[in-house]
Amino acid sequence: AQSVTQLGSHVSVSEGALVLLRCNYSSSVPPYLFWYVQYPNQGLQLLLKYTTGATLVKGINGFEAEFKKSETSFHLTKPSAHMSDAAEYFCAVQRSYNTDKLIFGTGTRLQVFP
Amino acid sequence: GAVVSQHPSRVICKSGTSVKIECRSLDFQATTMFWYRQFPKQSLMLMATSNEGSKATYEQGVEKDKFLINHASLTLSTLTVTSAHPEDSSFYICSATFGQGRTEAFFGQGTRLTVV
Repeated sequence: AQSVTQLGSHVSVSEGALVLLRCNYSSSVPPYLFWYVQYPNQGLQLLLKYTTGATLVKGINGFEAEFKKSETSFHLTKPSAHMSDAAEYFCAVQRSYNTDKLIFGTGTRLQVFP
Repeated sequence: GAVVSQHPSRVICKSGTSVKIECRSLDFQATTMFWYRQFPKQSLMLMATSNEGSKATYEQGVEKDKFLINHASLTLSTLTVTSAHPEDSSFYICSATFGQGRTEAFFGQGTRLTVV
């Protein structure tokens, strides 16, 4: 079975500071991993995904994440936070290709202070 | 990217009434649609998976008679909350995937349901 753990339900950073949102997964098969962002009262927008190949994946809005199999981690980073990055971030794992369901972590709320 | 439209974005209904939420894929044919429920400040919990033309597969603990899902066409899935109660108040989100070789799920904007 798959599961996702997001460490830290709230993360606060200053504008311009490094953003690090942690995600660890559990999967009995090679996972597909995703990071989504959710703004208040809106659906989810895909930030980036890892399926196969290069373990460092770059996404939209300057975010990137690195798949580390040995650590079963897929942490999300951004070198310099912007006020507009304030939102809820969800890490998700998918068991297999195509149409299988996503298992979401509990989410991390990112606050950015001026 | 592909667009999924969910309607309505907000709905308020009286206890005991039924509410229908629509999820449409606007520019692709969605072979599979997923319905999620999200409580305040919590994660998304999958309610059911629906494939066009077949019955939905519900997750454990989700009442299929209360949350009716219909996926009658490749571009439309509906979730009907029957005999709604205040505890059904929540944020409901749909997502859709399509074709072979696609890993991305496209999400609707969500529907805020308030039962009074």
